[in-house]
Parts: sequence; C-alpha cells; structure tokens
Amino acid sequence: GAVVSQHPSRVICKSGTSVKIECRSLDFQATTMFWYRQFPKKSLMLMATSNEGSKATYEQGVEKDKFLINHASLTLSTLTVTSAHPEDSSFYICSGGLAGDDGTDTQYFGPGTRLTVL
Amino acid sequence: LAKTTQPISMDSYEGQEVNITCSHNNIATNDYITWYQQFPSQGPRFIIQGYKTKVTNEVASLFIPADRKSSTLSLPRVSLSDTAVYYCLVGPFSGGYNKLIFGAGTRLAVHP
Repeated sequence: GAVVSQHPSRVICKSGTSVKIECRSLDFQATTMFWYRQFPKKSLMLMATSNEGSKATYEQGVEKDKFLINHASLTLSTLTVTSAHPEDSSFYICSGGLAGDDGTDTQYFGPGTRLTVL
Repeated sequence: LAKTTQPISMDSYEGQEVNITCSHNNIATNDYITWYQQFPSQGPRFIIQGYKTKVTNEVASLFIPADRKSSTLSLPRVSLSDTAVYYCLVGPFSGGYNKLIFGAGTRLAVHP
C-alpha cells in the first residue's frame, strides 16, 4: 500500500501558540488530501479537504481561520492550528487518495499527530 | 454518502473466524464498500475494498450479496493483534478523490 507520513507525531504547546502539522505522501502524488481529528474513544471527524494549488474545503462547523490548510505540492499538505487552546487538543490524522489500476480510489492514512495544548 | 450501520462491539477468541456485518441500505449504483482497521493512537489502515460478490486478499475477505445492501468482513483465525476498531465505509470511490465519512465502527476484542 501507499505510505503517508506525518510530522510531528506528537506535540505539546502552550495555549495561544500556533502549531504546524505536516502530511506527506511518500511514494505517490496526492492531488487531494484530507484532514481529520479524533477524540478519545470516538470516530474520525473530517475537518477539511485539501486540494493542491487551491483553497481547502472545510466541513461545516470547522473554523477555516483557526485551522489553516496549505497544499503546496502533490506530496505535502500542512495543517496549522492557530492560537491553540486546550479544547484543540486532539489526534489529527491526514490521508491521501491514490487511484488503483481498476479505477477505484483508496485513501491511505498517516500515523496521526497527537496535539496537547496546555 | 450512504449511511452504514455496524455492531458497536464484538468479542472473539484467538484462532476463531470473525465476521463483521455492515448494513448500507441506501448504497448507490456507483458506490464501493471499503473497510479500514484502526489501532489506538494510529491512523486507519486500509483492509479491503469491493463492489460486488466476493473479494479476498491476504488479510481478509469481503462478502457482498447481490442486492449490495449489506457486506460482511471476514477475518480468518484472528489473533490478539487483531484487536482494533473496524470501520465500514460506502462511497463513490472512483472518478476523483472522495471524502470519507466515518461511522462509529466496530470495536473488536480478541481474547486469549
């Protein structure tokens, strides 16, 4: 399967600071990447769709000015949590889509980034 | 996107076959069925994807009846390391990169 990496794997920051999380597709190009967040014992919640070379599309209820997404290249998307607060503490996961030989798309997920805001 | 319904949790023992069924009554003609596995503090891992009948890979089998309103993920001879949450997703996974909407998933616990 295709490999997606995230950096950092975990980060602790003070309230009010900004944190950047990188998502890279290591062995394929991803025109579209997705960002999710997951709270303990809960399912993944889609935050936004990141499109290479254009603005991200945010899901309802997700503040675009707080969660800045940049998809600078076909292998890199970044999520910046601006002015982080304790309620932003969560597990953030990205994914990239890859087309198969049969025409179907499969999303491959990164290992996730644990953000803790003090 | 079609809504899916799965059991919240299941228990099994090492060496047994586990079948997790997912209901998706409103599946559309161009929808595929995809299953992911997630361990704590890790991203979901792709298991298997199918459109109809049966799909098998080195990890699991996916059974889809003719009406496609449900599907069953079959894990042969589970081990303790198969303890995880399993998600069933239905969507048009072709023609572009479509967003995934995750349900609650099935929490599988494998016991010694």
